Amino acid sequence: KQEVTQIPAALSVPEGENLVLNCSFTDSAIYNLQWFRQDPGKGLTSLLLIQSSQREQTSGRLNASLDKSSGRSTLYIAASQPGDSATYLCAACTGANSKLTFGKGITLSVRP
Amino acid sequence: GAGVSQSPSNKVTEKGKDVELRCDPISGHTALYWYRQSLGQGLEFLIYFQGNSAPDKSGLPSDRFSAERTGGSVSTLTIQRTQQEDSAVYLCASSQYGTVQETQYFGPGTRLLVL
Repeated sequence: KQEVTQIPAALSVPEGENLVLNCSFTDSAIYNLQWFRQDPGKGLTSLLLIQSSQREQTSGRLNASLDKSSGRSTLYIAASQPGDSATYLCAACTGANSKLTFGKGITLSVRP
Repeated sequence: GAGVSQSPSNKVTEKGKDVELRCDPISGHTALYWYRQSLGQGLEFLIYFQGNSAPDKSGLPSDRFSAERTGGSVSTLTIQRTQQEDSAVYLCASSQYGTVQETQYFGPGTRLLVL
């Protein structure tokens, strides 16, 4: 059974800092790895999707990497801003029906 | 265009009552997913629809939970004889074909509280 872990559960950084959010998964037989953002009381917004054959994806100040063999993914946020404050979830897709297994998320607070 | 919508946004019910949660996926999306987000448990998969069929119901926690989808569009998640442990946010997501190349688009969720 796939298990996805995100540590730490919470992170507080000053504005402008570059930061890395970590995600690990136990079963390397994944189809893709996705990063989502969740704001309080809201649904999830997709940030990046990395296919199993890819090593990384970039969107603006965000860069996600994937190392299947070691069961790890990282989300790099450059020049963090207070508007980046949210909970970031990673999810592993391990089924052909695209069913996702989620980590519990990292709650990020960027201080002005 | 319109995103995934869910109703109601909040539901408070008494233990033992039945509840129905509704999901309207993005128009034209054939794949629809239900997830549950419980405090301390994270997001858990419940059920997957492709069209009106549910080829994967493996995440439904008990036979009190059921779901249907009609017309390849709207889906309803029904919880019978609700228990306090059913309190959670129920999220619906859709994608165009349900392939592994696609991301899923999530609705805002229904926050269920069972007293």
